[in-house]
Amino acid sequence: GAVVSQHPSWVICKSGTSVKIECRSLDFQATTMFWYRQFPKQSLMLMATSNEGSKATYEQGVEKDKFLINHASLTLSTLTVTSAHPEDSSFYICSASRTINEQFFGPGTRLTVL
Amino acid sequence: GQNIDQPTEMTATEGAIVQINCTYQTSGFNGLFWYQQHAGEAPTFLSYNVLDGLEEKGRFSSFLSRSKGYSYLLLKELQMKDSASYLCAVPSKNAGNNRKLIWGLGTSLAVNP
Repeated sequence: GAVVSQHPSWVICKSGTSVKIECRSLDFQATTMFWYRQFPKQSLMLMATSNEGSKATYEQGVEKDKFLINHASLTLSTLTVTSAHPEDSSFYICSASRTINEQFFGPGTRLTVL
Repeated sequence: GQNIDQPTEMTATEGAIVQINCTYQTSGFNGLFWYQQHAGEAPTFLSYNVLDGLEEKGRFSSFLSRSKGYSYLLLKELQMKDSASYLCAVPSKNAGNNRKLIWGLGTSLAVNP
């Protein structure tokens, strides 16, 4: 149990386009979902925390207008990278939790912006 | 403030035992997590400690001392596949009072034959 999926697993796009990444909890209802970004050989960087039905809470330095997060249901959250640029190329990982004692990660999405 | 410290890199030999330390400073303690992350993959859960002492789970054990703000992950009978980054994390809350994890920078473990 506690499986989290992400789609797509990798995406290549042109500079200026928008990319949507989906995060789904497949066998449980996630009250909270988290979005992370990780650059090569660096640690996880939390971008935002989202609760179902409410606005996401963004970490300091993360542009909410550029990284749009929607948490429409207890099993789905989406991250949209708007007007992507090469510096947005990174590994984006979501995680989902039911309680404070757990956080289950999706497999990640590798974004490359040309 | 909140802070987590881990060694950046460690090297060990196949079949040996290695201990990865983590020290933390946090306002209000709600447990400590250890995750394993292989290159290019998402982290996978290893352990969660909320009480003092050692918890053993197969080849991996995790220890916590709340009074010292200290934890370690113990890996026994090392295998080549254990080469990965090991991340220490503690729960906290963000500006919206929602829970989140504060992550250490991770310890990159290289297991040599």
